[in-house]
Amino acid sequence: AQKITQTQPGMFVQEKEAVTLDCTYDTSDPSYGLFWYKQPSSGEMIFLIYQGSYDQQNATEGRYSLNFQKARKSANLVISASQLGDSAMYFCAMRERTNTGNQFYFGTGTSLTVIP
Amino acid sequence: DGGITQSPKYLFRKEGQNVTLSCEQNLNHDAMYWYRQDPGQGLRLIYYSQIVNDFQKGDIAEGYSVSREKKESFPLTVTSAQKNPTAFYLCASSQVGRSYEQYFGPGTRLTVT
Repeated sequence: AQKITQTQPGMFVQEKEAVTLDCTYDTSDPSYGLFWYKQPSSGEMIFLIYQGSYDQQNATEGRYSLNFQKARKSANLVISASQLGDSAMYFCAMRERTNTGNQFYFGTGTSLTVIP
Repeated sequence: DGGITQSPKYLFRKEGQNVTLSCEQNLNHDAMYWYRQDPGQGLRLIYYSQIVNDFQKGDIAEGYSVSREKKESFPLTVTSAQKNPTAFYLCASSQVGRSYEQYFGPGTRLTVT
């Protein structure tokens, strides 16, 4: 089974509107972490937001919020008030513990295009 | 400034040659990681290291080798055994703590012809 699933290869959003990028995950580790990264065309990976499996409240960082639904194993990213600079690839990732340390798994990404 | 450096940004090699990609960090992080990214794909873990002189295979370690002789450095060698080495390679590091957040370098784009 896929550890991280992102079912939206591409998304479009009007400037200043909000957009939700979907992510579901699969793990048996009770102490996991979920991340979202942004990758512009330059290729660098930019950390956006983190949610720990024991966190009671949804994580927020400025215009980014993570809609964490533990029972559904989903960790959707919400970007409010979209800007042209938000156009990029977005990756959902998960950290889980293994016998040899922490491993990270990434989804296949969602390409977001913000339309003026 | 603290961060991760990868060099070079672009690398070209002939098939059959080994090539080593550099990754250095001055964040004092214990853990370091190497990922491969193919066009239109997510990141796949090649190798990771939690401490000096120790490293573990990730999902796609075949055809790659690493070393971790210093905390700051985690070079990746792409050997001639790697069947499809052309890809974008990203190095990352993280510190043990609450978030286990990974910080990424700018990446090296390797082309093998």
